[in-house]
Amino acid sequence: AQTVTQSQPEMSVQEAETVTLSCTYDTSESNYYLFWYKQPPSRQMILVIRQEAYKQQNATENRFSVNFQKAAKSFSLKISDSQLGDTAMYFCAFMKPNYGGSQGNLIFGKGTKLSVKP
Amino acid sequence: NAGVTQTPKFRILKIGQSMTLQCAQDMNHNYMYWYRQDPGMGLKLIYYSVGAGITDKGEVPNGYNVSRSTTEDFPLRLELAAPSQTSVYFCASSYGRLAGAYEQYFGPGTRLTVT
Repeated sequence: AQTVTQSQPEMSVQEAETVTLSCTYDTSESNYYLFWYKQPPSRQMILVIRQEAYKQQNATENRFSVNFQKAAKSFSLKISDSQLGDTAMYFCAFMKPNYGGSQGNLIFGKGTKLSVKP
Repeated sequence: NAGVTQTPKFRILKIGQSMTLQCAQDMNHNYMYWYRQDPGMGLKLIYYSVGAGITDKGEVPNGYNVSRSTTEDFPLRLELAAPSQTSVYFCASSYGRLAGAYEQYFGPGTRLTVT
């Protein structure tokens, strides 16, 4: 069974600085998807960034980028130029591809609470 | 385009009561999911559906039932509520299994307390 581990329960960063959130996962699959979701105090789950395992290039979305190390099964999120609005819980999630009727469900880590300080 | 909607936003139940959490999506997505999020934890899958009339269990299905009579709606039924079902419930949907169509869109959640 796949598992996702986020080893940093809480982190803080000063506004405008850079912070990296860690995520490791365990799987025997060779093809899969990885995600970072943001959950602000409003509770809404918001997709931040996604990575397909077959792509060697790290995904980037504006100030958010990932460091995907497939052999090490590591998927960290880097937030550059942190903003107060980045304050939220961040969840790393794993999805097995949806072949032949399998569910393609998301498996979540426990999350990292990020506080951006002015 | 409302996306994924959930009702109610909050609910308090007494032990042994039953209720249905409603979920609807207007994106014509084939796949729908129910997750629960306990305090300090990530989301865990309760049930999912790959299309109208087809449902299956996820990781934590005990104490819940679902049905999917239409593409748009995916209600979650709690029978004989227990304190262990106190949680925040999220509904999500995705287009399906095509490449690039796997992103799940989440509703705003329902906070349920059982006392």
